[in-house]
Amino acid sequence: GDSVTQMEGPVTLSEEAFLTINCTYTATGYPSLFWYVQYPGEGLQLLLKATKADDKGSNKGFEATYRKETTSFHLEKGSVQVSDSAVYFCALSDRVNFGNEKLTFGTGTRLTIIP
Amino acid sequence: AAGVIQSPRHLIKEKRETATLKCYPIPRHDTVYWYQQGPGQDPQFLISFYEKMQSDKGSIPDRFSAQQFSDYHSELNMSSLELGDSALYFCASSLSVQGLGELFFGEGSRLTVL
Repeated sequence: GDSVTQMEGPVTLSEEAFLTINCTYTATGYPSLFWYVQYPGEGLQLLLKATKADDKGSNKGFEATYRKETTSFHLEKGSVQVSDSAVYFCALSDRVNFGNEKLTFGTGTRLTIIP
Repeated sequence: AAGVIQSPRHLIKEKRETATLKCYPIPRHDTVYWYQQGPGQDPQFLISFYEKMQSDKGSIPDRFSAQQFSDYHSELNMSSLELGDSALYFCASSLSVQGLGELFFGEGSRLTVL
């Protein structure tokens, strides 16, 4: 079945440091890939997405490139801020049929940025 | 813009009681998903509905049931509650015709079973 393996946390960085959170996946088809972010006490928010190989998703300074050859979708940001502190989930959607696009999530990476 | 609305936001129940969670998807979205997120865990898929019919089923206990109504809102019914059912329950909706697999999540309903 589909699975997502995500870099384990927690991750603690200083403000303005470079961030990488690794994510690899296993899927039978051609999945869409996502990064969701969950701030304390809140729901899941879509951060960025990529729907086919070599696509780059980007938002709020975060980037991730869909690498089919390495089955990876690593999240990067050049300079993190305290406000980026949250839990980040890598996810895939391997659409099986119409109306069935459930997401399979990784285990989440808790990121803490210290001033 | 309208988002996914879940109610109640917080719910406290005793063991063996019953709980019902409601979800109102984004207008015109045709698919609803339910997820369960235990403390420190990733969200686990429970069940989904497309055009009011069950479209997929995940790790949903037999004590739980769900349905989607004619106005597209969905309800998750949980009976004989156990301590392990304490979790954050998310509803998400999508517009299937987009074909992009993008789900929009509500803020969740936190269930505490005592």
